[in-house]
Amino acid sequence: KQEVTQIPAALSVPEGENLVLNCSFTDSAIYNLQWFRQDPGKGLTSLLLIQSSQREQTSGRLNASLDKSSGRSTLYIAASQPGDSATYLCAVRGMDSSYKLIFGSGTRLLVRP
Amino acid sequence: GAVVSQHPSWVICKSGTSVKIECRSLDFQATTMFWYRQFPKQSLMLMATSNEGSKATYEQGVEKDKFLINHASLTLSTLTVTSAHPEDSSFYICSARLGTNEKLFFGSGTQLSVL
Repeated sequence: KQEVTQIPAALSVPEGENLVLNCSFTDSAIYNLQWFRQDPGKGLTSLLLIQSSQREQTSGRLNASLDKSSGRSTLYIAASQPGDSATYLCAVRGMDSSYKLIFGSGTRLLVRP
Repeated sequence: GAVVSQHPSWVICKSGTSVKIECRSLDFQATTMFWYRQFPKQSLMLMATSNEGSKATYEQGVEKDKFLINHASLTLSTLTVTSAHPEDSSFYICSARLGTNEKLFFGSGTQLSVL
């Protein structure tokens, strides 16, 4: 059974810092991995999607990497801003055709002005 | 981008009543919709997958008679929490898949509080 773990559970940094969020998964047979952002009491916004054949994806100040063999992904946020404060979730999709996502418990990020 | 509208955004009800949550894809036809629940500071747990015109597929441990899912059209899925109890209080989120697109589009969620 696939399990997704995110470390750290919470993170507080001063504005301007570069930071890395970690995601690990137990079953390397994945179809893709996604990173989402969730603001308090809100739904999810997809940030980056990495197919299993890809190593990384970039969008603006965000860069996500994937090492499928070791079951790890990282989300790198450059030059963090207070507006980046949110919970970041990673989710993996298995190899079946169901499109189901298994989520990690998230990293709550606070960027202090 | 694709928009998924979820209503209501929050609801408070008495124990024993039923609550219906709607999830609509506003500018696309959603072949598949997913319902998740999320407890405070925990991750999203998939409850069920619904395809238009067919019965929903429930995850293990989710009571299908308690959480009724209807996906009558390609733009609307509903989740009805029947005879709600305080332990059903949670944040419920729907998501929709557009065609063969890998990305899922999420609603803004519904906070259910059962007194």
